[in-house]
Amino acid sequence: GENVEQHPSTLSVQEGDSAVIKCTYSDSASNYFPWYKQELGKGPQLIIDIRSNVGEKKDQRIAVTLNKTAKHFSLHITETQPEDSAVYFCAATSSNFGNEKLTFGTGTRLTIIP
Amino acid sequence: DAMVIQNPRYQVTQFGKPVTLSCSQTLNHNVMYWYQQKSSQAPKLLFHYYDKDFNNEADTPDNFQSRRPNTSFCFLDIRSPGLGDAAMYLCATSREPGGGPSYEQYFGPGTRLTVT
Repeated sequence: GENVEQHPSTLSVQEGDSAVIKCTYSDSASNYFPWYKQELGKGPQLIIDIRSNVGEKKDQRIAVTLNKTAKHFSLHITETQPEDSAVYFCAATSSNFGNEKLTFGTGTRLTIIP
Repeated sequence: DAMVIQNPRYQVTQFGKPVTLSCSQTLNHNVMYWYQQKSSQAPKLLFHYYDKDFNNEADTPDNFQSRRPNTSFCFLDIRSPGLGDAAMYLCATSREPGGGPSYEQYFGPGTRLTVT
């Protein structure tokens, strides 16, 4: 089955600086890679996703890159703000029948220092 | 707004006393999922429904059951909660299963279960 590794587990960034979180996956059939933000006491919120037919996707201050050859994808947050503080999870899945489970990384606790 | 709703947000139950958690959705999605999330861990899939088809994860204990009486509602039943079942329980939905072109999974706010 799929295995997703996520690094770092904790990340502290000065407000206004950029933050980068990296994930690797094992199943070459995986073709969908979402990122979730989870604030304390709340459910995960989908913030951006990427599919294997593109290499990069951007939404305002958030971008995701995908390298299918190396089987890794990354979340980039620019001009960080205090409200970006949260736990971020990457995930991967494929459309192969019977292998449709969303596999999560172990999470990164991001702290933005004012 | 279309959304995933979970009730209650906080539930306290006694050791061994059955408890039911509720999830409803206004997205009209075909798939509903139940996850267990313990502190500082990733969500762990327990099972999911694709329409009326129930799909259990191999390592989900028999103590956990689920019902989906209609498209909008899904319930998680814990027959005999143990102290180790204290966790956040998350409901999620997607239009279709898997990683197809229209696949996105949306989570509810969760129910925090305490077992005393």
